[in-house]
Amino acid sequence: QKEVEQDPGPLSVPEGAIVSLNCTYSNSAFQYFMWYRQYSRKGPELLMYTYSSGNKEDGRFTAQVDKSSKYISLFIRDSQPSDSATYLCAYYSGNTPLVFGKGTRLSVIA
Amino acid sequence: NAGVTQTPKFQVLKTGQSMTLQCAQDMNHNSMYWYRQDPGMGLRLIYYSASEGTTDKGEVPNGYNVSRLNKREFSLRLESAAPSQTSVYFCASVKGTGGDYGYTFGSGTRLTVV
Repeated sequence: QKEVEQDPGPLSVPEGAIVSLNCTYSNSAFQYFMWYRQYSRKGPELLMYTYSSGNKEDGRFTAQVDKSSKYISLFIRDSQPSDSATYLCAYYSGNTPLVFGKGTRLSVIA
Repeated sequence: NAGVTQTPKFQVLKTGQSMTLQCAQDMNHNSMYWYRQDPGMGLRLIYYSASEGTTDKGEVPNGYNVSRLNKREFSLRLESAAPSQTSVYFCASVKGTGGDYGYTFGSGTRLTVV
């Protein structure tokens, strides 16, 4: 079992909807969680990161970690067609390369 | 513009041919990585270099070799290409080891092996 699981989708929502993207993890030693956004035919780009015990908000985006259920989430408020992309979660547990989930493909329909 | 530059962007190889994918970063980053991305498989780590002069295997190293030429450049070589190596290859770099900075990715090399 991969240490971070992510529903591949695809997820299709209307413009303006609140989007919830989720990952589950198995290793309690994780230190940082990250969300990357990847547009079609482009490389992933860092969207935001959070420590294992906190939440973080950046504009319309909120990253949340629920340690009790080993669940990490990315919420997108007022979703826009420009948010259509694949979103990858990743974790860092200290001096080893990042481990990525497989990504969730999101489409926001105008 | 500062960032990670990959060349070539597209390549078609015949089975058994060899080629080298080039990656260069101008952000003075210490660590560099090579990933491949396949449909339904996500990003899988091939090799990485935590610092100049060191390289380590990742999840899927078979059929590949790497060279950390200097702090800026990290190349990936396919000695005898196989159809199973058809993929999109991404190079990434990071200042430290990835914890509180995150990786910067290149725009990818789309490789087809026929």
